[in-house]
Amino acid sequence: QVQLVQSGAEVKKPGASVKVSCKASGYTFTSYYMHWVRQAPGQGLEWMGIINPSGGSTSYAQKFQGRVTMTRDTSTSTVYMELSSLRSEDTAVYYCARDTIAALTLWGQGTLVTVSS
Amino acid sequence: EIVLTQSPATLSLSPGERATLSCRASQSVSSYLAWYQQKPGQAPRLLIYDASNRATGIPARFSGSGSGTDFTLTISSLEPEDFAVYYCQQRSNFYTFGQGTKLEIK
Repeated sequence: QVQLVQSGAEVKKPGASVKVSCKASGYTFTSYYMHWVRQAPGQGLEWMGIINPSGGSTSYAQKFQGRVTMTRDTSTSTVYMELSSLRSEDTAVYYCARDTIAALTLWGQGTLVTVSS
Repeated sequence: EIVLTQSPATLSLSPGERATLSCRASQSVSSYLAWYQQKPGQAPRLLIYDASNRATGIPARFSGSGSGTDFTLTISSLEPEDFAVYYCQQRSNFYTFGQGTKLEIK
């Protein structure tokens, strides 16, 4: 069926990087843009950026410019989000979400990233 | 950056009542506004896109209205499963979310 499956939880130390994956299945991977959204514990949703799986072009929220990199692998229908220079405030659940009909219609299950010394 | 302000922060109502949630944008987003529902431990679910279009499978008791800077999500008669957190999101200039409205049982 149509779904997005994300990689498992991560624990990282401050200053490290994390790379989260999101594997798409059940549809044509290159036909839909993919977003990344995060949610800190007990907080709201925060948009991080978007990638076009077809050409690989990206657009990032200004807050994350220089610290986030989104890539894709069309051979495995997987998108990746790498966040560097991690700090405690980056502790959050990270979601990938497919863009359809001008909204985020299909979401991954979320990946908890914990940043702690 | 376009800021979305949702009100109220918390709304306490009983099943069967009507719920009215507001989302105000810091500048016009035309009709490029969506609404999502999120329950604890779950990913958000799209309810409304482009201000007033219900997503596939969303019950008719959910409706959206507005354009420009002021938007409303209305739930005509609350069901027990509707108590959750609701977010608005704009796509007029990049993407941003509101801070959310928690709909709780009174």
